[in-house]
Amino acid sequence: QQQVKQSPQSLIVQKGGISIINCAYENTAFDYFPWYQQFPGKGPALLIAIRPDVSEKKEGRFTISFNKSAKQFSLHIMDSQPGDSATYFCAASTMGDKLIFGTGTRLQVFP
Amino acid sequence: SQTIHQWPATLVQPVGSPLSLECTVEGTSNPNLYWYRQAAGRGLQLLFYSVGIGQISSEVPQNLSASRPQDRQFILSSKKLLLSDSGFYLCAWTFGGIYGYTFGSGTRLTVV
Repeated sequence: QQQVKQSPQSLIVQKGGISIINCAYENTAFDYFPWYQQFPGKGPALLIAIRPDVSEKKEGRFTISFNKSAKQFSLHIMDSQPGDSATYFCAASTMGDKLIFGTGTRLQVFP
Repeated sequence: SQTIHQWPATLVQPVGSPLSLECTVEGTSNPNLYWYRQAAGRGLQLLFYSVGIGQISSEVPQNLSASRPQDRQFILSSKKLLLSDSGFYLCAWTFGGIYGYTFGSGTRLTVV
């Protein structure tokens, strides 16, 4: 019940295309859902986060879509660029508790 | 502003040698601190976390230990390294879990 399932494991997208990464969870007590971006050899960095009281949050080309009833949330990267090539992790937690991370998605954007 | 420091950036150690990785946070007090390990091309495995000085919770029983001797210092140790201890070690902090984790730049450990 504490797991966060992430898919796909890897994703190849053409430059300018839309990258979509999906996550699903079971614990309905989760109330914080962040996405992290990790470049090779670097620590993950917080990209965008959402709380369950909204269904969508957009920051630039990055959008989180959240479906509370389905217990799913996804990251959409619009107009994907080669510089977006990285590993992306979704995560979930209850306030003040440790984050449960997904297994990661390696995104490659080709020119 | 808050910053997190991890060192060293890379480390090559022989099997059976000891290990000490240090993580410090500046600009905040009483942070929650975490140690993660990431195998090559894999996900983030939580090893230890601490909510206060001297308070350590272990997530995975293994050849490692952690200590928090000061409020903003978190140390990962081993008495005798194994080949399987190789990986990318990441320290992270959060203030009460409200704003999500901030990760350090990591230590690449290779046990030979």
